[in-house]
Amino acid sequence: DAKTTQPPSMDCAEGRAANLPCNHSTISGNEYVYWYRQIHSQGPQYIIHGLKNNETNEMASLIITEDRKSSTLILPHATLRDTAVYYCIVRVGGSNYKLTFGKGTLLTVNP
Amino acid sequence: EAGVAQSPRYKIIEKRQSVAFWCNPISGHATLYWYQQILGQGPKLLIQFQNNGVVDDSQLPKDRFSAERLKGVDSTLKIQPAKLEDSAVYLCASSLGSGRESPLHFGNGTRLTVT
Repeated sequence: DAKTTQPPSMDCAEGRAANLPCNHSTISGNEYVYWYRQIHSQGPQYIIHGLKNNETNEMASLIITEDRKSSTLILPHATLRDTAVYYCIVRVGGSNYKLTFGKGTLLTVNP
Repeated sequence: EAGVAQSPRYKIIEKRQSVAFWCNPISGHATLYWYQQILGQGPKLLIQFQNNGVVDDSQLPKDRFSAERLKGVDSTLKIQPAKLEDSAVYLCASSLGSGRESPLHFGNGTRLTVT
């Protein structure tokens, strides 16, 4: 699976959009981008995933650049409960789904 | 739906003792994973089951760690004997299948402290 690079930490004001970047310059054509988050003392929680196109669900939006070498997770209106470590993961599609986590980005939402 | 259940929530043991963790996945989920998360790091996969068969245990320290999933439902992870470096949170996760359209659902983990 391709390696990802994320900033170790970011701050965001409550109510504003949080934009979390992820670089995956060695991504292959059949590798998907996944985002999970981990709130303190809880297990990781699935957020969203995509291959080429931008994706949106009730939690967030995922913007993938045309060359697929980077992506951005957008939380449109961050709340204090969005404070967590956010993990960007790329993996090959198909069977034997497993995730290889890096250190992620600690997002702190401030009042 | 009920989430992934893990017990105990916390465990403190002395080195060289043994310990076991239990996981009950979401009903109907065929794939079960055990991850180890050391403080300040992301989770690391230890073992993956598909029903009651092992799919991947390449990162499981087999000299001291063992895991089983009887009847393809509940699972237990055992450490015997424990070392200081085994202090970590042990996370269990399950997914409906093993493909990309089946996100992992994690439990809240068991925090193990080895003294």
